[in-house]
Amino acid sequence: EVQLLESGGGLVQPGGSLRLSCAASGFTFSSYAMTWVRQAPGKGLEWVSSIRGSGGNTYYPDSVKGRFTISRDSSKNTLYLQMNNLRVEDTAVYYCAKNPTVGGHGDYYFDYWGQGTLVTVSS
Amino acid sequence: EIVLTQSPGTLSLSPGERVTLSCRASQTVISNYLAWYQQKPGQAPRLLIYGASSRATGIPDRFSGSGSGTDFSLTITRLEPEDFAVYCCQQYGSAPLTFGGGTTVEIK
Repeated sequence: EVQLLESGGGLVQPGGSLRLSCAASGFTFSSYAMTWVRQAPGKGLEWVSSIRGSGGNTYYPDSVKGRFTISRDSSKNTLYLQMNNLRVEDTAVYYCAKNPTVGGHGDYYFDYWGQGTLVTVSS
Repeated sequence: EIVLTQSPGTLSLSPGERVTLSCRASQTVISNYLAWYQQKPGQAPRLLIYGASSRATGIPDRFSGSGSGTDFSLTITRLEPEDFAVYCCQQYGSAPLTFGGGTTVEIK
């Protein structure tokens, strides 16, 4: 059974940093691309970052590029999101999601999701 | 960036009814790379449809997706009590990946 368990959320001041983790189990972690998606309170879903199964290619939207870094450790079956220079508008539940394959073209939808971890950016 | 507009925002329906939800893209979705998700309060999204019309594993056949280009739809042929939720579309043909704002299907 695929399981994704996020951790690391919490309250942080604007300009601060936080690192999220996502522990994966139930599948061969290194064979699949992984993604972070966030959802601000009462709002829709927003793509945050993706990383290919090999870990060699990473992708970001402009809203977080240069501030967030996605990485993975296949020896620990864990996905990470390092978030720096946090802004109030980064407040959201952050979901870890599994892509259906290694991350080729057409593979950036998500077949399993974690339960999310809440990040609150406030002074 | 492709903007996905979902309509209507909210639908009030009764169990047993048929419903069709719309997702319209501001530009052509490459290769019809469009997915639909269901989300219930306090829960993570659940994949229903990918590639515009392919059902995900374990999804009942009362859920179906259709459409191409810029106009897509999700149909639930007969609403079950567990189907009352928010439904969201996502395009994955172009960067950045984008999601629609969602349609809430509520019990009338």
